[in-house]
Amino acid sequence: GENVEQHPSTLSVQEGDSAVIKCTYSDSASNYFPWYKQELGKRPQLIIDIRSNVGEKKDQRIAVTLNKTAKHFSLHITETQPEDSAVYFCAASIVGNQFYFGTGTSLTVIP
Amino acid sequence: ETGVTQSPTHLIKTRGQQVTLRCSSQSGHNTVSWYQQALGQGPQFIFQYYREEENGRGNFPPRFSGLQFPNYSSELNVNALELDDSALYLCASSFGGQFSGANVLTFGAGSRLTVL
Repeated sequence: GENVEQHPSTLSVQEGDSAVIKCTYSDSASNYFPWYKQELGKRPQLIIDIRSNVGEKKDQRIAVTLNKTAKHFSLHITETQPEDSAVYFCAASIVGNQFYFGTGTSLTVIP
Repeated sequence: ETGVTQSPTHLIKTRGQQVTLRCSSQSGHNTVSWYQQALGQGPQFIFQYYREEENGRGNFPPRFSGLQFPNYSSELNVNALELDDSALYLCASSFGGQFSGANVLTFGAGSRLTVL
């Protein structure tokens, strides 16, 4: 089945700096790549997603890029704020709604 | 419009017992998926229900079973509980089912199960 790897596992940045989280996937049939933010004790919340027919998508301070050839995708957060501190998960989907998640990145934004 | 709700929020069981977790899907959604999230890990797909039938399953043993009801709500049942079953169990609803293409998952807050 699909295997999603996510790096780094922890990331600390100064407020205002950028943060980048990277994921790789194994199955070239994957065609949907969402990113979820999970604050401590709360449910995962979708923050941005990208489909395989698009190379890049941006929503205000958040952007995602996808390289289908290399089978990797990345989350970029610019002008980080303390409220961006959370665990971020990438995921890949092949068939319908069966998602394979990465192991998560704990992001800390230092004021 | 209501979101995904799960119950109970927390529960403690002992090894060998059975547990039932419940999930109400978001209004307008007809598909429910269950995920297991161990501490410090990403969610792992257990199975998905669409039109009251299981139509996708991850690498979990048969003692993990489920149901979906006509109102699209769902139950996750786990028999013969083991210590490693301790985790946060997340329910996610979406619209479309397994062969409709990937759709956005909306997660519930989860049920935290502790097995002693």
